[in-house]
Amino acid sequence: ILNVEQSPQSLHVQEGDSTNFTCSFPSSNFYALHWYRWETAKSPEALFVMTLNGDEKKKGRISATLNTKEGYSYLYIKGSQPEDSATYLCAFHSGAGSYQLTFGKGTKLSVIP
Amino acid sequence: DVKVTQSSRYLVKRTGEKVFLECVQDMDHENMFWYRQDPGLGLRLIYFSYDVKMKEKGDIPEGYSVSREKKERFSLILESASTNQTSMYLCASSSIRGSYEQYFGPGTRLTVT
Repeated sequence: ILNVEQSPQSLHVQEGDSTNFTCSFPSSNFYALHWYRWETAKSPEALFVMTLNGDEKKKGRISATLNTKEGYSYLYIKGSQPEDSATYLCAFHSGAGSYQLTFGKGTKLSVIP
Repeated sequence: DVKVTQSSRYLVKRTGEKVFLECVQDMDHENMFWYRQDPGLGLRLIYFSYDVKMKEKGDIPEGYSVSREKKERFSLILESASTNQTSMYLCASSSIRGSYEQYFGPGTRLTVT
């Protein structure tokens, strides 16, 4: 079983604060790194799929970076809003003929108004 | 928009009952997955299927079986439900083309009493 770690486990921030969290994954047999947002009572939804070392992706106030050589990715949220409250999951895709993703346990973000 | 639907949002079953969880996707995706999500453990893969009638065990297949008779439908079967199978069950699908991004259903919260 592959080891995908996310930190912190949970986070409380004030509205307007910027925040970031980490996903670490195996640095060998890398194919892609996925980020998902999972809001309460909804389905997880994909934020980013990142494949290249040094990749940086952005969607509104949320951005992510990728370092495949050292096996980590950061997710940043600028100016957090209450609607950003969710669990953020990263998932490692090792490729090598596999369609499976290995998920981390997630970072639960609560944005306090 | 991709739609992944699951047959029930909430289900209560008795120990020893046979339980069927159904998942349907409308995007002609080749891959379909069943996960369970438990507090502190994240999303864990039970089984997946990459084609009709094909299945592969995930990380925690014990106590479960699956069926994929049609491309759009993937069923999870609990042969004899036990209390330790009380959990949130999520179905997902993905295409073999593109980024392998997974699309999730709304989940079924199963309680076994």
